[in-house]
Amino acid sequence: EIVLTQSPATLSLSPGERATLSCRASQSVSDYLAWYQQKPGQAPRLLIYGASNRATGIPARFSGSGSGTDFTLTISSLEPEDYAVYYCQQRTNGYSFGQGTKLEIK
Amino acid sequence: QVQLVESGGGVVQPGRSLRLSCAASGFSFSSSAMHWVRQAPGKGLEWVAVISYDGSHKSSADSVRGRFTISRDNSLNTLYLQMNNLGPEDTAVYSCARDGRYCTNGACYFDIWGQGTMVTVSS
Repeated sequence: EIVLTQSPATLSLSPGERATLSCRASQSVSDYLAWYQQKPGQAPRLLIYGASNRATGIPARFSGSGSGTDFTLTISSLEPEDYAVYYCQQRTNGYSFGQGTKLEIK
Repeated sequence: QVQLVESGGGVVQPGRSLRLSCAASGFSFSSSAMHWVRQAPGKGLEWVAVISYDGSHKSSADSVRGRFTISRDNSLNTLYLQMNNLGPEDTAVYSCARDGRYCTNGACYFDIWGQGTMVTVSS
C-alpha cells in the first residue's frame, strides 16, 4: 500500500501570500498524482491531475509539480475562496489519499 | 446537469448490513468507471472501492475487502455499495465519484462527486 504524507497539517497564511503544500509518497507514483480541494460541507473538487495539469476552470494561480515521491501544490497568491482543505491522491498502486492540509486565514 | 446523488445511509447496529445507491445523470454512466470514497467525521478521504464501466473489474480497500461489494446497473444509471458486517469504524459519509475525463497515461481522476450519504454504525 502506498502511503501519502502531506505537510504541513495546517498552513496559516494571509490573502495575497504564496502557499506551498507538500505531498510525499512512500514509494514512487511516477506522475499519477492529483490534488483536490474540499470546503466544509462540499464535495471535493479536482484541481490538478497527472501531477501538473490543471482541470478545466481551475485558476492559473494553482499549479502542481513533482514526480516520483515528492509533489507540491502551489497557490501563487491566495484569494479568500482558496481557504479549504487540500488532499493529494495517487493511483499508481490502488488508490489512496493523503491526510490533508488545512489552509486557514492568518 | 451532471450529477451524482447518493442515498441509503442511516443508523445501523454493529454487525448489520446496509446498501447504498448512487444515481447518475447528465453523463454517460455506462462508459465510466465509478468509485466509492468515504470520510469519517472530522477526518480525511478514504478510497473504498472501484468498478469498471461494464462491471467486469472490481477492487476494494483492504479495510473493507470481504465485507463490502461494489456493483452497478447501467440500465438504471445506478451504482451500489453493499455493506455487510458493519462496525463502528465504518461510520462515515459515503460518496460516489466518477473516474472521469481528466486522464494522463491511461490513468483518470475523480472529476464528479456526489454530496454523500451518512452511515452511522452504533448500538
